[in-house]
Amino acid sequence: AQTVTQSQPEMSVQEAETVTLSCTYDTSESDYYLFWYKQPPSRQMILVIRQEAYKQQNATENRFSVNFQKAAKSFSLKISDSQLGDAAMYFCAYRSELGAQKLVFGQGTRLTINP
Amino acid sequence: ETGVTQSPTHLIKTRGQQVTLRCSSQSGHNTVSWYQQALGQGPQFIFQYYREEENGRGNFPPRFSGLQFPNYSSELNVNALELDDSALYLCASSLGGQGREEQYFGPGTRLTVT
Repeated sequence: AQTVTQSQPEMSVQEAETVTLSCTYDTSESDYYLFWYKQPPSRQMILVIRQEAYKQQNATENRFSVNFQKAAKSFSLKISDSQLGDAAMYFCAYRSELGAQKLVFGQGTRLTINP
Repeated sequence: ETGVTQSPTHLIKTRGQQVTLRCSSQSGHNTVSWYQQALGQGPQFIFQYYREEENGRGNFPPRFSGLQFPNYSSELNVNALELDDSALYLCASSLGGQGREEQYFGPGTRLTVT
């Protein structure tokens, strides 16, 4: 079974600075998807960024980028120019290419932005 | 285009009771997945419905059951509620039962079992 581990329960960063959230995963599959989701106090899970395992190029979405290391099974999220609205729980998630669209989530990292 | 909606927002039940949670999928989506998120934890997959059939199930007991209707909305039913069932229940809709399609989450239902 696949597992996802986020080793940082909490992180904080000054507004406008850069922060990196860590995620490692374990799988025996070669084709899969990785995601970062943001969950603000409103509770709704919002997709931040996704990465297909077959793509070597790291995904980027505006201020958000990932460092995907397939051999190391590592998938970190970098947030540049942090904004107060980025404060939330961030979850790393894994989904297999095959079978049901089952997301396997990590435990989450609470990100605080200091003004 | 309407997003994923869930009802009710909150509810409180007593141990041993039964509960039904509802999810309306995003327009055009035919797949609904349900997740349980205990306080301070990441969501855990309960099951998925694709075109009215169960299409995958996580490690949850049979007292967790579901339905998907012809309009692709879905229900999650939990029988014989236990205190540990207290959690945020999230549903997510998508197009297609597998593959690369994105899942879009609803705002969740907060269930408290006393």
